[in-house]
Amino acid sequence: QKEVEQDPGPLSVPEGAIVSLNCTYSNSAFQYFMWYRQYSRKGPELLMYTYSSGNKEDGRFTAQVDKSSKYISLFIRDSQPSDSATYLCAMSALGNTGFQKLVFGTGTRLLVSP
Amino acid sequence: EPEVTQTPSHQVTQMGQEVILRCVPISNHLYFYWYRQILGQKVEFLVSFYNNEISEKSEIFDDQFSVERPDGSNFTLKIRSTKLEDSAMYFCASRLGLAKNEQFFGPGTRLTVL
Repeated sequence: QKEVEQDPGPLSVPEGAIVSLNCTYSNSAFQYFMWYRQYSRKGPELLMYTYSSGNKEDGRFTAQVDKSSKYISLFIRDSQPSDSATYLCAMSALGNTGFQKLVFGTGTRLLVSP
Repeated sequence: EPEVTQTPSHQVTQMGQEVILRCVPISNHLYFYWYRQILGQKVEFLVSFYNNEISEKSEIFDDQFSVERPDGSNFTLKIRSTKLEDSAMYFCASRLGLAKNEQFFGPGTRLTVL
């Protein structure tokens, strides 16, 4: 079983739709969860981060973590064509120097049409 | 807003040649990372660096790879003898400190080995 699984998509939605992006993971040691947005041939841009379980909201973005199910989600409300990108989930466990390396999902490609 | 910068944006080299990829992390950050992304694949961890030494490395990071922080601002990744399979985007990331786990990524260096 892969450590982090993410549907590669593409996920196509009309402008204004609510988008749900998800990842599952197998390593119960993961405690820190992040969502990055990546445009083609660019570096990952940090969108959201959460520690342990719960919800976090920032503008049109909501991140949810369910550690009991090993399942994380990113919701995008009122999606815009500019949201079209690849969304990467990433997570890390606690090590001696704080949280360790990030383990990434494959990324989900999102296409928002006008 | 402070950001991670990387040079060059694109490096083309012949197989067997040495390359040095350069990064300037965010100025007050203490933890530094290199990741790579082969075209169409997930972002993979290579190495983490703290207090002038490697804190963790992946199995990809073999004897052909080395990292250095030659002065107070630069962080470099050297590949001694490049192989075709080293062709990828290489991303540098930095993190503030123990209490802050968010990793901020640079725009990447695209390495092409011919």
